[in-house]
Amino acid sequence: DVKVTQSSRYLVKRTGEKVFLECVQDMDHENMFWYRQDPGLGLRLIYFSYDVKMKEKGDIPEGYSVSREKKERFSLILESASTNQTSMYLCASRQGAGSGNTIYFGEGSWLTVV
Amino acid sequence: GENVEQHPSTLSVQEGDSAVIKCTYSDSASNYFPWYKQELGKRPQLIIDIRSNVGEKKDQRIAVTLNKTAKHFSLHITETQPEDSAVYFCAALDTGRRALTFGSGTRLQVQP
Repeated sequence: DVKVTQSSRYLVKRTGEKVFLECVQDMDHENMFWYRQDPGLGLRLIYFSYDVKMKEKGDIPEGYSVSREKKERFSLILESASTNQTSMYLCASRQGAGSGNTIYFGEGSWLTVV
Repeated sequence: GENVEQHPSTLSVQEGDSAVIKCTYSDSASNYFPWYKQELGKRPQLIIDIRSNVGEKKDQRIAVTLNKTAKHFSLHITETQPEDSAVYFCAALDTGRRALTFGSGTRLQVQP
């Protein structure tokens, strides 16, 4: 089974802090994604990556950055956390487009910014 | 880019009844349409998907239909059970970005 692991399930951070959300997948997937989930808004794409060192902006990249130094790890960074970034963050991964389209999600990271 | 709209936002049915959730998409080039179920506090799990070369797909009590001309697809759950209660998300694959665009979700409650 594909395993996508988000190391931090619940975090409480102060406004202005730098926040790192880590995601690791164990299936050698090429594509990785960060989504944000808010009630009534569904899942919105923040950033994604096709390969190591590559990153692409999604629909709501403002206030976020990402890092993909190794194929299995995709990190979401909040440079200066704000209260409107309180949300649930979901990491996902998928094998390359030529190998099927199923996307697998991690368990989610609940972030509260106070 | 792709835009996906999902209706209704909440749906309450009696156990044993059928439930239907509908989605529309904007990008005619989209070719993959999965449905995810998310139980409270858990990750979204893929329950069924359909590709654009197929009009209907069924897996036991759940089925998905796709109308490419009208750009809409629907999830059908028959003989609903209390364990079907969850939030359901439709999605469409944005072929340009190769990323899923999701609908806003439907909270299904099955009353015993």
